Order: sequence, then C-alpha cells, then structure tokens
Amino acid sequence: DTGVSQNPRHKITKRGQNVTFRCDPISEHNRLYWYRQTLGQGPEFLTYFQNEAQLEKSRLLSDRFSAERPKGSFSTLEIQRTEQGDSAMYLCASSGTRTDTQYFGPGTRLTVL
Amino acid sequence: AQKITQTQPGMFVQEKEAVTLDCTYDTSDQSYGLFWYKQPSSGEMIFLIYQGSYDEQNATEGRYSLNFQKARKSANLVISASQLGDSAMYFCAMRESTGGGNKLTFGTGTQLKVEL
Repeated sequence: DTGVSQNPRHKITKRGQNVTFRCDPISEHNRLYWYRQTLGQGPEFLTYFQNEAQLEKSRLLSDRFSAERPKGSFSTLEIQRTEQGDSAMYLCASSGTRTDTQYFGPGTRLTVL
Repeated sequence: AQKITQTQPGMFVQEKEAVTLDCTYDTSDQSYGLFWYKQPSSGEMIFLIYQGSYDEQNATEGRYSLNFQKARKSANLVISASQLGDSAMYFCAMRESTGGGNKLTFGTGTQLKVEL
C-alpha cells in the first residue's frame, strides 16, 4: 500500500523565484489537502480538493499561491514570486470517502533565501 | 480564538512508563472528530488515533488510547509502556463538520522525550 508522496523533499530558492511542489495521494483517496507548517507551530490548512474540484481555500493562500488537481489524482502547489516568509514545510494529505482520517506525506521543506 | 489547546510544550517520561499528553478543544458543533498525530524529527505526520464526537467508547490503538471527556472538551492521549522511539512531537487536531469543511485545525504540539 503506497502512502502519500511529495516531491521534491527539499527546495532552496532565491526570493522572487517561482516554485512548484507535487503531491501524489493514496491511490483510492478522492480528497486531497495542503497544509503549511512553520517552525514551532502545528500545520495550518491551505486548501482542499475533492476529486478535481477545489472546494475550500484558506485566507493564508494569497494570490501568489495556486493549487491544481487537474485529473483528480496528483496535485501541484505553485508559489509565485517567493518571499522569505514563505519558508516553511508544505504538507500534503489525502483521505477517502469512508473515513475522515487524513494521511500525510513526508512534506516539502522550502527555504527562500 | 484558539480551537485546540495543548498546554504542555515539553514532556519527559521514562522508558516503559505511561504518559498523558493533554488536549482541550473548543467547538459549537455537535459532530466533530479528534485526531492525534506524531511528528518525528524527519517531519512526516503519522496518524495515531481518532475519536468521533458521537463515539461512546474511548478509542484505543495498540499502546495509544484517547481519554475523551466530552463535557470537559478534552481529548488527552495516553501512551502506555513508552519506548525510545516514541520521542517526537505530538499534535492534537480537530475536524469540524460545519463551516470548516474537512480541514483539520491543529494545536501547537507537545514535544515528548523518552528517557532510559
């Protein structure tokens, strides 16, 4: 049983550059979530997909952030014009329709210099 | 307003002893879910245990049990027979059924250190 995978695991970029992260959920899961976690804090919700539909977006998700899940399988999270405050761990999770439990991937750690 | 409160930033326990990690929550929903996750230094969030608001019995999963006190709005995690590998950050989270969709709201976590 393959878990949630995320790529890349680490990303270092310069301020102003664009970055894109990928998340592959557990294969039978139709719900996919993105969270952001900064040092010393719990994860904070960013956005949620059910199949290919983006059903909810947090106010944390500024105009520079966009997420897609075009075929209802993998998802991408893009950050344009990165800022130092974007440095964080970006976590993806997925869940099925039978259970509320969200299973997380290993995360992508972003460092903006 | 903070919806999940974890008041213990750090806890120490001796190997083979039991430890309780505290979590209180705030919601006006009748239907909600409470979760505990473990986050080792590698960063991955590992699901441990789930309690639904309508579940009459406390949830148990192996060495983990959830002490659910609905009237007090508390959902404490009990780890029995602690092992060195239990050293990690532990997060309590809540899923509310209304207004929040399926998103989880997390507490600030408790860092657990298991000592010999």
